[in-house]
Amino acid sequence: AQTVTQSQPEMSVQEAETVTLSCTYDTSESDYYLFWYKQPPSRQMILVIRQEAYKQQNATENRFSVNFQKAAKSFSLKISDSQLGDAAMYFCAYRSANSGNTPLVFGKGTRLSVIA
Amino acid sequence: GAVVSQHPSWVICKSGTSVKIECRSLDFQATTMFWYRQFPKQSLMLMATSNEGSKATYEQGVEKDKFLINHASLTLSTLTVTSAHPEDSSFYICSASMGQRGNTIYFGEGSWLTVV
Repeated sequence: AQTVTQSQPEMSVQEAETVTLSCTYDTSESDYYLFWYKQPPSRQMILVIRQEAYKQQNATENRFSVNFQKAAKSFSLKISDSQLGDAAMYFCAYRSANSGNTPLVFGKGTRLSVIA
Repeated sequence: GAVVSQHPSWVICKSGTSVKIECRSLDFQATTMFWYRQFPKQSLMLMATSNEGSKATYEQGVEKDKFLINHASLTLSTLTVTSAHPEDSSFYICSASMGQRGNTIYFGEGSWLTVV
């Protein structure tokens, strides 16, 4: 079974600074997808960024980028120019690509605080 | 992007009664829907996977007779908490997939259940 580990329960960053959230995963599969979801106090799950395992290029979405190291099974999220609205729980998630009906496997999450 | 609607957002019920939560995909056909439960300050725990027209697959430890899941159409899945007790109080969130390999999973807004 696949597992996702987020080793940082809490992180904080100064507004306008950069922060990196860590995520590692364990799998024997070669084809899969990785995601970062943001969950603000409203509890709505918001997709931040996704990465296909077969792509070597790291995904980027505006201020959000990932460092995907497939051999090390590492998938960290970098948030640049942090904003107050970035404060939330961030979940790293894995999804098998073996079929179209597999669920997301989540890490335990990292609570990010942004200091003004 | 794709929209998944979950209703009700909040529900309070008396102990011993049943409550139904609906999850609808508004602009796509969801061949698979997933139900999660989230305890305070914890990650999302997968309860079950439901495929349209077939019985749901429950995760180990989830009581299928207590948490009835129906996926009668490609746009609607329901979770019924039967004979609810205070320990069933939690945040329940659904998600939906179009079923193709790698398609992003979209989340509903979630439902807060309080059993008194």
